[in-house]
Amino acid sequence: DTGVSQNPRHKITKRGQNVTFRCDPISEHNRLYWYRQTLGQGPEFLTYFQNEAQLEKSRLLSDRFSAERPKGSFSTLEIQRTEQGDSAMYLCASSLGAGRSSYNEQFFGPGTRLTVL
Amino acid sequence: GESVGLHLPTLSVQEGDNSIINCAYSNSASDYFIWYKQESGKGPQFIIDIRSNMDKRQGQRVTVLLNKTVKHLSLQIAATQPGDSAVYFCAENTGTASKLTFGTGTRLQVTL
Repeated sequence: DTGVSQNPRHKITKRGQNVTFRCDPISEHNRLYWYRQTLGQGPEFLTYFQNEAQLEKSRLLSDRFSAERPKGSFSTLEIQRTEQGDSAMYLCASSLGAGRSSYNEQFFGPGTRLTVL
Repeated sequence: GESVGLHLPTLSVQEGDNSIINCAYSNSASDYFIWYKQESGKGPQFIIDIRSNMDKRQGQRVTVLLNKTVKHLSLQIAATQPGDSAVYFCAENTGTASKLTFGTGTRLQVTL
């Protein structure tokens, strides 16, 4: 257990429905990341926050996706009008970053497995 | 739990042998390289990292080698144990936003 928690662990939904996932990072970590992982692939970066500010979004994050981190602690990732291609594992990670470009170890949560029928 | 990496390259080693997992990276501007281990149903777990100004770093039973000339990274696991069975990913960080770019994973199977 890395200290990063994600809920729910599994979500099955019908195409066209909206879903929301939650991530609780390690409490003192100021950076929070979302990644998506499909079977047989490595995780792909979606977006990241430094405190409550969303500083970068991948082109993978279509306008149906929105992420928030309102108080700089937990984060939510919402997918609107889900499509079958959204089926994947959604991973959250957190780290303690000193500056915008500094690297620090990222700790990953267990992920939320989304299945869109 | 679900299976991670159904069609990944697989390395099969006997318990007690040493394992070497290789990775090619693409961005010569990357400043850190990281190895992660992922077991079925779990998120990636940090193993070891190396900064781009180093060519070797050792941890407990693991060694990472970096060859910037050919953009190659390897992970060596000494005395491989059944608990080492997992999918291993290399990742690189370019310093901007600290986002990680993951490579293709390798499934390590440890046979008794």
